[in-house]
Amino acid sequence: DAGVTQSPTHLIKTRGQQVTLRCSPKSGHDTVSWYQQALGQGPQFIFQYYEEEERQRGNFPDRFSGHQFPNYSSELNVNALLLGDSALYLCASSDPGTGRNIQYFGAGTRLSVL
Amino acid sequence: GNSVTQMEGPVTLSEEAFLTINCTYTATGYPSLFWYVQYPGEGLQLLLKATKADDKGSNKGFEATYRKETTSFHLEKGSVQVSDSAVYFCALRGRSQGAQKLVFGQGTRLTINP
Repeated sequence: DAGVTQSPTHLIKTRGQQVTLRCSPKSGHDTVSWYQQALGQGPQFIFQYYEEEERQRGNFPDRFSGHQFPNYSSELNVNALLLGDSALYLCASSDPGTGRNIQYFGAGTRLSVL
Repeated sequence: GNSVTQMEGPVTLSEEAFLTINCTYTATGYPSLFWYVQYPGEGLQLLLKATKADDKGSNKGFEATYRKETTSFHLEKGSVQVSDSAVYFCALRGRSQGAQKLVFGQGTRLTINP
């Protein structure tokens, strides 16, 4: 049973560019959450998707947007990249069987903005 | 809003020492509580959880008890190993509608010396 998978593993962009990160949830999971983890910090919640809609959003600007597809996979898009967007981006999935109470994380995508 | 405070690291111990990492929380109602572990270069792995007061979560020799009266969820292990070296995150998840996100502490880096 594959866990949460994220791609790419590493990415280097320059300021002002746009980036798309991808996430496939664990089998049977219908909910995907995205987190940003800056170096030396705990993860910060960006947003959560299920039933192809954004259900909750953290304190992130509109430059951060997302999408969920019918197969439950998800994308995180960041426009007009800033140096401060450099971080590890983590995707987590959960399933309705546990009331979506337990989130399982992928290995993350490390984004460097130069 | 909900928040989590962890003891500051880094923490350095010798193999077979006793470990305690303190975690306290502020939340409305009775959240679910979690400890996640992050090994170098990896995403977060769920270590243990507790969903109601006085519950004890345990896994791989680690334990934590949900203490409502002190709003705490301290992580303990009786005899640590070199392989336990990692960053440990305490987290909570609220119960109210729209409180689906995980709120993390800042993390505690643990190093175990042989």
